[in-house]
Amino acid sequence: AQSVAQPEDQVNVAEGNPLTVKCTYSVSGNPYLFWYVQYPNRGLQFLLKYITGDNLVKGSYGFEAEFNKSQTSFHLKKPSALVSDSALYFCAVRDWDGGSQGNLIFGKGTKLSVKP
Amino acid sequence: DTGVSQDPRHKITKRGQNVTFRCDPISEHNRLYWYRQTLGQGPEFLTYFQNEAQLEKSRLLSDRFSAERPKGSFSTLEIQRTEQGDSAMYLCAGVRVPGNTIYFGEGSWLTVV
Repeated sequence: AQSVAQPEDQVNVAEGNPLTVKCTYSVSGNPYLFWYVQYPNRGLQFLLKYITGDNLVKGSYGFEAEFNKSQTSFHLKKPSALVSDSALYFCAVRDWDGGSQGNLIFGKGTKLSVKP
Repeated sequence: DTGVSQDPRHKITKRGQNVTFRCDPISEHNRLYWYRQTLGQGPEFLTYFQNEAQLEKSRLLSDRFSAERPKGSFSTLEIQRTEQGDSAMYLCAGVRVPGNTIYFGEGSWLTVV
């Protein structure tokens, strides 16, 4: 079965420092990987995706993610964190094995806190 | 703006009452998903539609839950005889197949008291 894991419940970063939010995946076949961000009491906003091609994927708001097949990881990164980046971040993989034809399977989420 | 609208944004209901949520995706979203998210968890798949056809239902979708997507446009999710355990945020999402990016609405918060 497809799954993703976000090993950190919370990540704390000082404003201006680089940030990394970790994600590992387990899939059969080629992974379709996504990052979403959720602000309090809001829906999920799409940040970026990896389907195929370059392992470094650039997304919205200055975020990027690196796909690493050997380590089965898809970590989210940003060179310089902003206080406004503070939110809940979800890694997800599309499930092509089940009957839902590409439903997203989410990790538990990582709360990012950026302090001034 | 993802183009996916959900209504109402918040609903407080008494246990045992019925509630209905509505989702309006953009016309290009030929596939529509419903998810449920509880506090501290990621969203969990409930069901999905390909145009007007409901093709898959999660085991999370008990017989008190029903979803429709008449004419392949808007969708409704009804919960009958609500229970406190139904308190959650219900998210709707759309994608234009064969595209890969699933876009979410703002969600509908349900509180059952």
